[in-house]
Amino acid sequence: GEDVEQSLFLSVREGDSSVINCTYTDSSSTYLYWYKQEPGAGLQLLTYIFSNMDMKQDQRLTVLLNKKDKHLSLRIADTQTGDSAIYFCAEISADSWGKLQFGAGTQVVVTP
Amino acid sequence: GAVVSQHPSWVICKSGTSVKIECRSLDFQATTMFWYRQFPKQSLMLMATSNEGSKATYEQGVEKDKFLINHASLTLSTLTVTSAHPEDSSFYICSARWTGRYNEQFFGPGTRLTVL
Repeated sequence: GEDVEQSLFLSVREGDSSVINCTYTDSSSTYLYWYKQEPGAGLQLLTYIFSNMDMKQDQRLTVLLNKKDKHLSLRIADTQTGDSAIYFCAEISADSWGKLQFGAGTQVVVTP
Repeated sequence: GAVVSQHPSWVICKSGTSVKIECRSLDFQATTMFWYRQFPKQSLMLMATSNEGSKATYEQGVEKDKFLINHASLTLSTLTVTSAHPEDSSFYICSARWTGRYNEQFFGPGTRLTVL
């Protein structure tokens, strides 16, 4: 099956920028997503990017997509303690019938 | 908009009983809903795809007789864990696909199931 991989843990100081990386193998990915999950809660969609885009910016969030290398990143500017959570990248391919393929999740811990 | 609710948010049951979990799209219609299972500190594992008015499609390794899915309307899908056992204890999350918004999936808050 297709794989989505992420680093498992990131520690960042409050006020710094966080960068979470993700790689995927499915060359037919059409949409790529970043979700945030806080403890005991469901998933919150943070942002998404179409596969024909290189970058998308939304307030403190910047998504970069390198389709050639199948690399996706999420940059959070001015990281706050409320950004502490698990972040999942996910992709949908054209032939997946809408099924999301998730990475393992990156736990982000923001320290004062 | 695009809110998905789940009920109950947590449930404790005895081994051998059945538990029903509801997933509702509150302000949009969802022809497709998905059921996931999540173990502690792990990613979401897709269990099945629920399509309104038809049988659910189960992922490999998921017992369809144990995890019964019914998508009775465009806003409601239910997952029934039959004859639950302690190994069924997990966090169950549903999502609903809104075809009107780039096939975006909206997730419910999850249901914590504990089987004693």
